Amino acid sequence: AQSVSQHNHHVILSEAASLELGCNYSYGGTVNLFWYVQYPGQHLQLLLKYFSGDPLVKGIKGFEAEFIKSKFSFNLRKPSVQWSDTAEYFCAVIPEAGSYQLTFGKGTKLSVIP
Amino acid sequence: ETGVTQSPTHLIKTRGQQVTLRCSSQSGHNTVSWYQQALGQGPQFIFQYYREEENGRGNFPPRFSGLQFPNYSSELNVNALELDDSALYLCASSLLGNRWGYNEQFFGPGTRLTVL
Repeated sequence: AQSVSQHNHHVILSEAASLELGCNYSYGGTVNLFWYVQYPGQHLQLLLKYFSGDPLVKGIKGFEAEFIKSKFSFNLRKPSVQWSDTAEYFCAVIPEAGSYQLTFGKGTKLSVIP
Repeated sequence: ETGVTQSPTHLIKTRGQQVTLRCSSQSGHNTVSWYQQALGQGPQFIFQYYREEENGRGNFPPRFSGLQFPNYSSELNVNALELDDSALYLCASSLLGNRWGYNEQFFGPGTRLTVL
């Protein structure tokens, strides 16, 4: 069964700092990859997704992620964080073929200090 | 367009009791997935319903069961509650062209279940 590892449990940054959140997955076949965000008091929402094509994908609010197949990684990045980016971020994977089950990592809590 | 809604918001039960959680899918969606999110963990897949039939199940015991209705709303039932069932239960809906497809899942706010 596939699994997802997120390296950081809690990240604290000052505004304007750059962000990189690590995500590694274990699955031998082709996968679809996602980053979800949960702002305080709000629903889980999709930040960005990778299905195929350009391994550098751009999402909402200036976030991007790079899929590196050889490293089984899908790290999330943002050049300059804002206080409003304070949230919990979840990486998730779904096998490409005939699947329905999103497997999530444990999440990384991001706190941005003004 | 109405989003995914869940009820109740919070629920407190005692060990051994049974609970039913409800989910209304987003307008036009035909698929509902349920997830359990324990404190400090990511959501874990329980099962999915596609056009009123179970379309896959995660590693949860049979006392976790579900239903999907003709209007595509859904229920999650948990029997013989255990302390470890305390968690946030999330519902997500999507529109699938067929049972093997995948499309973006839209999540509801969740139901917080506490088992004492």
